[in-house]
Amino acid sequence: GAGVSQSPSNKVTEKGKDVELRCDPISGHTALYWYRQSLGQGLEFLIYFQGNSAPDKSGLPSDRFSAERTGGSVSTLTIQRTQQEDSAVYLCASSLMRGNTEAFFGQGTRLTVV
Amino acid sequence: AQSVTQPDIHITVSEGASLELRCNYSYGATPYLFWYVQSPGQGLQLLLKYFSGDTLVQGIKGFEAEFKRSQSSFNLRKPSVHWSDAAEYFCAVALYGGATNKLIFGTGTLLAVQP
Repeated sequence: GAGVSQSPSNKVTEKGKDVELRCDPISGHTALYWYRQSLGQGLEFLIYFQGNSAPDKSGLPSDRFSAERTGGSVSTLTIQRTQQEDSAVYLCASSLMRGNTEAFFGQGTRLTVV
Repeated sequence: AQSVTQPDIHITVSEGASLELRCNYSYGATPYLFWYVQSPGQGLQLLLKYFSGDTLVQGIKGFEAEFKRSQSSFNLRKPSVHWSDAAEYFCAVALYGGATNKLIFGTGTLLAVQP
């Protein structure tokens, strides 16, 4: 596609349920990022994938959060046993390679845990 | 720890007035620096970036930013603000080392433009 695509755009889930958020990066982009944006907060780094290297998971807030990237393309962010504090907009971005290149962002998935 | 600080949470300027949004970073080496804008209901869009060379960089929509190593700053400027510039602005620092790459964002500055 022309840009980074995220689905669903909105997700409402009950507390305690698991959710999966999907990100389709720009074709050919080897780097993929997940961020979380809470109301009134900046962008919180969650996880970074670069090619076949081990992902940088240092931003994942708890072991309820995990992410994978299949075939170096599509990525899924999974949140298990969701809590109300997980409510936020989850943003995915991709870039061509590490280094001085621009990261392109998707429109995000707005997650609401009720 | 590496960090990005945007000291102004909210700024209001009049249309036609000049604008400066502040950004300070904490990083041991010269970082890659970015400014992104997020308009209401929109995704993040890159305004400009600095990697090396001329410390004054030009971006889209008439924005510019100046890298000052001595002050660890990368402030965003625009000589004359338009109502359409109302948005949230994020400064970001790219950290590159080993197998770990991160793009670290500040908490953002929300810009309101008065007629």
